[in-house]
Amino acid sequence: DSGVTQTPKHLITATGQRVTLRCSPRSGDLSVYWYQQSLDQGLQFLIQYYNGEERAKGNILERFSAQQFPDLHSELNLSSLELGDSALYFCASSDRETDTDTQYFGPGTRLTVL
Amino acid sequence: TQLLEQSPQFLSIQEGENLTVYCNSSSVFSSLQWYRQEPGEGPVLLVTVVTGGEVKKLKRLTFQFGDARKDSSLHITAAQPGDTGLYLCAGAPNAGGTSYGKLTFGQGTILTVHP
Repeated sequence: DSGVTQTPKHLITATGQRVTLRCSPRSGDLSVYWYQQSLDQGLQFLIQYYNGEERAKGNILERFSAQQFPDLHSELNLSSLELGDSALYFCASSDRETDTDTQYFGPGTRLTVL
Repeated sequence: TQLLEQSPQFLSIQEGENLTVYCNSSSVFSSLQWYRQEPGEGPVLLVTVVTGGEVKKLKRLTFQFGDARKDSSLHITAAQPGDTGLYLCAGAPNAGGTSYGKLTFGQGTILTVHP
């Protein structure tokens, strides 16, 4: 158990819909990272937040957005969903703004778009 | 864009055999990490290597970071069925950039160890 929690575990929805994925980082960690894992693209970095502020962006689509709240939990919002958005979405946390050495991953949310 | 090429993509071996997984790039990384991921779970960090030429051992696993910090290898001695899983390497951008936590992951190696 990494200490990072993600809900829901599974999500099944239809094309065009909007969903929200939630992540609670390890106690004390200020950084939250979101990743997408698909069979063809592998594990891709989406976005990072540190103490409520966006810090780095990766391959995140404009239809996707994220935020980190004062209690440090984070939400990833996916809208106008397409079949190709079906994937595993992971969040990870670390305790330093620029720390790339110790990111702890949550169990992931499996999104299926029908 | 920093890319990491991981090989082989699939590895199927018998219990007791040795194996090596490679992670190569044309880019320099400030550190390189190895993760193991089991089906339905998130990646679990195995090790981080930071210094060029560094070798780290974790029981039967040996990790090496290339002298130029562009490549790494994972060697498993006397593999066991419990080693089965997806192994991922991930590189951290060079210090001083604005990439912060943007880890670049390799495509992964699916290892199956048969009893």
